Amino acid sequence: EPEVTQTPSHQVTQMGQEVILRCVPISNHLYFYWYRQILGQKVEFLVSFYNNEISEKSEIFDDQFSVERPDGSNFTLKIRSTKLEDSAMYFCASSEVRGRAKNIQYFGAGTRLSVL
Amino acid sequence: GESVGLHLPTLSVQEGDNSIINCAYSNSASDYFIWYKQESGKGPQFIIDIRSNMDKRQGQRVTVLLNKTVKHLSLQIAATQPGDSAVYFCAEISNSGYALNFGKGTSLLVTP
Repeated sequence: EPEVTQTPSHQVTQMGQEVILRCVPISNHLYFYWYRQILGQKVEFLVSFYNNEISEKSEIFDDQFSVERPDGSNFTLKIRSTKLEDSAMYFCASSEVRGRAKNIQYFGAGTRLSVL
Repeated sequence: GESVGLHLPTLSVQEGDNSIINCAYSNSASDYFIWYKQESGKGPQFIIDIRSNMDKRQGQRVTVLLNKTVKHLSLQIAATQPGDSAVYFCAEISNSGYALNFGKGTSLLVTP
């Protein structure tokens, strides 16, 4: 069964450092997403990406964040200067379609980001 | 604004019993809802979805009910098994159709 894969599973970094989280969405999917989940809290939307551009972003997704699809398979989330409060699980998701009537998003296993 | 919340943070049921997990939403214009299951250390896993033009949808051992009048949906799991132990989230689609807005989650614990 096709799945979304994320690497690394755990990333430890120092405050102020740049990190890049990587994702390989399901191959025939066109819509890509990043979410985060702070320990013990709900999953929060960060950004969606379609046709090589951001289609929607949340207030969390400020200038420190960027996304890119550098090639035909990878989808990355970059945090330029990490802060302690960026520590969280980051989930990548993808969907075949999107819309208010149908949008099944399939999630990867996540990358745990620990900022020290 | 859009918000989705869950009534109970934890639910403990005996193996073989039926489970009901509830969710309330505040945006009366919400068109689409999804239930996800999240096991420890894993990402959310799609269970079942429902559109706002439906009251009920059934899957394998799961049923989702939608009551638009009181803005409430529930997930019913029949004959709950130990493998059903997880955190369950309801999510609603944003007005743009891109973002999923998740509730806080209900932790389901199945005891033998």
